[in-house]
Amino acid sequence: DQQVKQNSPSLSVQEGRISILNCDYTNSMFDYFLWYKKYPAEGPTFLISISSIKDKNEDGRFTVFLNKSAKHLSLHIVPSQPGDSAVYFCAASEGGGADGLTFGKGTHLIIQP
Amino acid sequence: DAGITQSPRHKVTETGTPVTLRCHQTENHRYMYWYRQDPGHGLRLIHYSYGVKDTDKGEVSDGYSVSRSKTEDFLLTLESATSSQTSVYFCATQREGTYNEQFFGPGTRLTVL
Repeated sequence: DQQVKQNSPSLSVQEGRISILNCDYTNSMFDYFLWYKKYPAEGPTFLISISSIKDKNEDGRFTVFLNKSAKHLSLHIVPSQPGDSAVYFCAASEGGGADGLTFGKGTHLIIQP
Repeated sequence: DAGITQSPRHKVTETGTPVTLRCHQTENHRYMYWYRQDPGHGLRLIHYSYGVKDTDKGEVSDGYSVSRSKTEDFLLTLESATSSQTSVYFCATQREGTYNEQFFGPGTRLTVL
């Protein structure tokens, strides 16, 4: 049973426009959410995170929104740049401990020139 | 960058042989993790460690064992490799006190024939 779902395997966006990546979760005990970016043949790199006590977190071009009642979060990238083309993973954790992350399957974002 | 190296980076082996993957970190992070990444599955947690000689099982631990005799090294062993263990393996670390932000190594691509 998949606890973190990314239902769009791929997304194509024009350069300069907004990219919106979506993530849904089923485990109501999750209290911290993270987005990772991954290029081919490299390890994932941390992008941005949000605690369940917040509904929005911004870092430069990246904003994550959390809707706890809908168990949904989204990552907005504005404006999208060619270097943003990568696979984006949504991840979640519970309890504030160090028991590891639960990842979604990823969304391949392609930025078109 | 948490100074994480993984060795080997690529390995081809035969079914039934033992395999050990090594993760080495230079940042003295307390927590360490092994994940595997497979098409259609995202990243899944295999084992993790809270510190020296303190390890626990993750979501997909069957067929794997780990050891951590020094803070900087976390070993993943496949006692008798099977074709289903063909995957890309990622090591990750986490500082104590940081809320689940994990740093990932470059990965090891393992092929079991």
